[in-house]
Amino acid sequence: QKEVEQNSGPLSVPEGAIASLNCTYSDRVSQSFFWYRQYSGKSPELIMSIYSNGDKEDGRFTAQLNKASQYVSLLIRDSQPSDSATYLCAVGPIGTNAGKSTFGDGTTLTVKP
Amino acid sequence: NAGVTQTPKFQVLKTGQSMTLQCAQDMNHNSMYWYRQDPGMGLRLIYYSASEGTTDKGEVPNGYNVSRLNKREFSLRLESAAPSQTSVYFCASRITDNTQYFGPGTRLTVL
Repeated sequence: QKEVEQNSGPLSVPEGAIASLNCTYSDRVSQSFFWYRQYSGKSPELIMSIYSNGDKEDGRFTAQLNKASQYVSLLIRDSQPSDSATYLCAVGPIGTNAGKSTFGDGTTLTVKP
Repeated sequence: NAGVTQTPKFQVLKTGQSMTLQCAQDMNHNSMYWYRQDPGMGLRLIYYSASEGTTDKGEVPNGYNVSRLNKREFSLRLESAAPSQTSVYFCASRITDNTQYFGPGTRLTVL
């Protein structure tokens, strides 16, 4: 079992719809959770981080964390063609080892006009 | 601010050749990282440096060495390249809130 698993893509949604990206992790002591967006041929960029159970909203993006279920998700509301990218989930510790995140393989999202 | 810069952008090596990938950041970050990304996969940590003067192994360190030359620079060396090291290499640096900033990547092909 991989340490961080993401729903296999590709995921295709129409413009204006809600895109839902899911991620599960195996290490129960994980304390930091991230979503990165990576356009084709480009480097990853951080779009959301979450550390506590519940929802965190930033514009059209909402991250949801459930530590009991070892599950983190990303919702993209009002999806736009510019959201078409691969989304990487990363899970890791905080403190001394902060930054040693484990990445999932990514889910590729296509938003169709 | 240039952020995180990497050189070269592209490189083709023959099996057994050596090379050094360079990374520099101008954001005064303490921590720096080297990742590789194979097609269709996420990032795997090769080595990291929590602060100037320290380095530690990540998930896939075999075949690589690193040097944290100073606070700004963190280099990755392949002593004897193998086809299995064909990948895209990303350098990243981090501030204290866990946010990592990535460089543009080096696309390496080993024939």
